[in-house]
Amino acid sequence: GAGVSQTPSNKVTEKGKYVELRCDPISGHTALYWYRQSLGQGPEFLIYFQGTGAADDSGLPNDRFFAVRPEGSVSTLKIQRTERGDSAVYLCASSLYLAGRFSGELFFGEGSRLTVL
Amino acid sequence: DAKTTQPNSMESNEEEPVHLPCNHSTISGTDYIHWYRQLPSQGPEYVIHGLTSNVNNRMASLAIAEDRKSSTLILHRATLRDAAVYYCILIRGNKLVFGAGTILRVKS
Repeated sequence: GAGVSQTPSNKVTEKGKYVELRCDPISGHTALYWYRQSLGQGPEFLIYFQGTGAADDSGLPNDRFFAVRPEGSVSTLKIQRTERGDSAVYLCASSLYLAGRFSGELFFGEGSRLTVL
Repeated sequence: DAKTTQPNSMESNEEEPVHLPCNHSTISGTDYIHWYRQLPSQGPEYVIHGLTSNVNNRMASLAIAEDRKSSTLILHRATLRDAAVYYCILIRGNKLVFGAGTILRVKS
């Protein structure tokens, strides 16, 4: 497809379980971002990748959260020992850097809604 | 990250212009002003951005104050499909930092 694709669209899990959320960015976009959004709030930055490496992971809330992008395309956000407070919509976005500079234009997917019971 | 201030919500009538304000008094000289919007159950989408001069595109216009401490997003004729949360963001570095935004309600 032409846009950013996220799977699953909805995930219900139990407290303490492990969860993986997948993001397939727009082809050719070197930068990939993860955000999470709680009800009634703006998206909160988690991490972004430039190619395969995490360029800024300052938004990851704790060491239960981890993300990878092994081949510089698809990324997986991994959450260990899920807690009820992790319930949110997890948004992925990608961007094309122009001459090595961030253009400011992110293309977002529709998100993965995570519910931890 | 530089902070922006927006009204929590605004209401508009369909087919009328809408002016969405944003204050960014701590803006620095190299900060770009970006606007995104988020329709219900969707991810945010880019609307427009500018540095110093006013900007127009097919979606909206951006008016930037001469001192750059405030800006206004202008939707020339609001439609029901423009009902969304509108975010005003200053880009510094390589990420967007979202605030709470303005909820725009459009009445038919």
